[in-house]
Amino acid sequence: EPEVTQTPSHQVTQMGQEVILRCVPISNHLYFYWYRQILGQKVEFLVSFYNNEISEKSEIFDDQFSVERPDGSNFTLKIRSTKLEDSAMYFCASSFSGRSGSNQPQHFGDGTRLSIL
Amino acid sequence: RKEVEQDPGPFNVPEGATVAFNCTYSNSASQSFFWYRQDCRKEPKLLMSVYSSGNEDGRFTAQLNRASQYISLLIRDSKLSDSATYLCVALDSNYQLIWGAGTKLIIKP
Repeated sequence: EPEVTQTPSHQVTQMGQEVILRCVPISNHLYFYWYRQILGQKVEFLVSFYNNEISEKSEIFDDQFSVERPDGSNFTLKIRSTKLEDSAMYFCASSFSGRSGSNQPQHFGDGTRLSIL
Repeated sequence: RKEVEQDPGPFNVPEGATVAFNCTYSNSASQSFFWYRQDCRKEPKLLMSVYSSGNEDGRFTAQLNRASQYISLLIRDSKLSDSATYLCVALDSNYQLIWGAGTKLIIKP
């Protein structure tokens, strides 16, 4: 069964540094998402991406964050000038359709655990 | 404010028992609903979509009550491997997934 893959599985970075989290969505999916989950807390939506542009973003997704689809397969999340509170699991997800009513679920990667020191 | 509310549990249930959880959602414009399960420190995995007419997948039954804005999940003949956190998720009219905080289920032998 096709999977969403994420690399690295664990990233340890000094505060203030930039990190890039990488994701390879399922190949025929058109919608891509990033979420984060701080340990013990809810999954939080960050951003959705379709047709090479951001379609929705949450208030968490400020100027510190950016996303890119540099080629036909990768979908990246860049976090600039990381802060201690950026430590979390970051999940990438993809779906064939983003439209409501289609019941097209989002499939998640294993996540990248980001630890900011 | 968009919210999905769940009882955090934990629900401690003997193996073989039936267990049910509900979740409520505040945004009446939500269109689609899902149950995901999440094992400790792992990614959420889709368990099932929730259809208006209710749907069943093996030991799992999901129901949607739009009038009361709640979704339920029933697990029959529970197994030790069902121990996990169950996340109720609503897709809102902006195509954003709104997540509940999850209900923790512990199946005891």
